[in-house]
Amino acid sequence: NAGVTQTPKFQVLKTGQSMTLQCAQDMNHEYMSWYRQDPGMGLRLIHYSVGAGITDQGEVPNGYNVSRSTTEDFPLRLLSAAPSQTSVYFCASTIRAPQGRETQYFGPGTRLLVL
Amino acid sequence: AQSVAQPEDQVNVAEGNPLTVKCTYSVSGNPYLFWYVQYPNRGLQFLLKYITGDNLVKGSYGFEAEFNKSQTSFHLKKPSALVSDSALYFCAVRDALYNFNKFYFGSGTKLNVKP
Repeated sequence: NAGVTQTPKFQVLKTGQSMTLQCAQDMNHEYMSWYRQDPGMGLRLIHYSVGAGITDQGEVPNGYNVSRSTTEDFPLRLLSAAPSQTSVYFCASTIRAPQGRETQYFGPGTRLLVL
Repeated sequence: AQSVAQPEDQVNVAEGNPLTVKCTYSVSGNPYLFWYVQYPNRGLQFLLKYITGDNLVKGSYGFEAEFNKSQTSFHLKKPSALVSDSALYFCAVRDALYNFNKFYFGSGTKLNVKP
C-alpha cells in the first residue's frame, strides 16, 4: 500500500488564483480529513469526510471546498487563494474501528505559498 | 468544546536522561487521546493512543504516556532520551461521543535531545 499520498509537494500561487490539492489513500479508509499546519498553532481541521458523498466543516473551513466522490480521493479546493492561506496542508485518513480505536494516517504534506 | 494544550513550546534534555512532554485536554465526554511525532519536512507519525483501560500506555520507539483523569493530562514520557528523538510532538484528542472524525491537536512541543 502507498498509504496516503498528496500532490503537489510544493506550490506557489498568486493571490486570487485557484487550485486543487489532491489527496488519495489506498487503504479503503472511510474517514478522511484536511488539516493546515501553521507555526505555533499546531494542526487545525479544515474539512473532513466520513464516507463517499459526505463532508463536513472543521475548525477553519472558510476559503476551502471539498468533495468526496470516491472512497479513495478527497481533494481540497482553494477557489481564490489569499496570503493567509500560506501554510502546510496535511491530508489524513482513518479506518472506522470499534470503540474509537481509530488511528489517523497522514500524508507527507503540501507546502503552499500564496504571494 | 474540545481542546488540547501543550504548555511547553520546547523541551531540552540531555541524551540518556528521562524526558516528559506535557499535554492537558478538555473534552465534553470520555477522551480518546493520541500522541504523534513529526520529523522535519514529514507528515505526522502515530506514536500511541489511550482509549480505555490501563492508564499507562506504551507506544512506538520506547515512548509511553500516562493518562490522568483527575488532572486531565496525558503526558508523554521516555525513560532514556536519544538524539534521534529530537522532533516536534503533537498531542491530540477526540471526543468519544461526538464527531468521531474530529481530532483536535495541540500546538506542538519541539523536543531537543543534546548529546
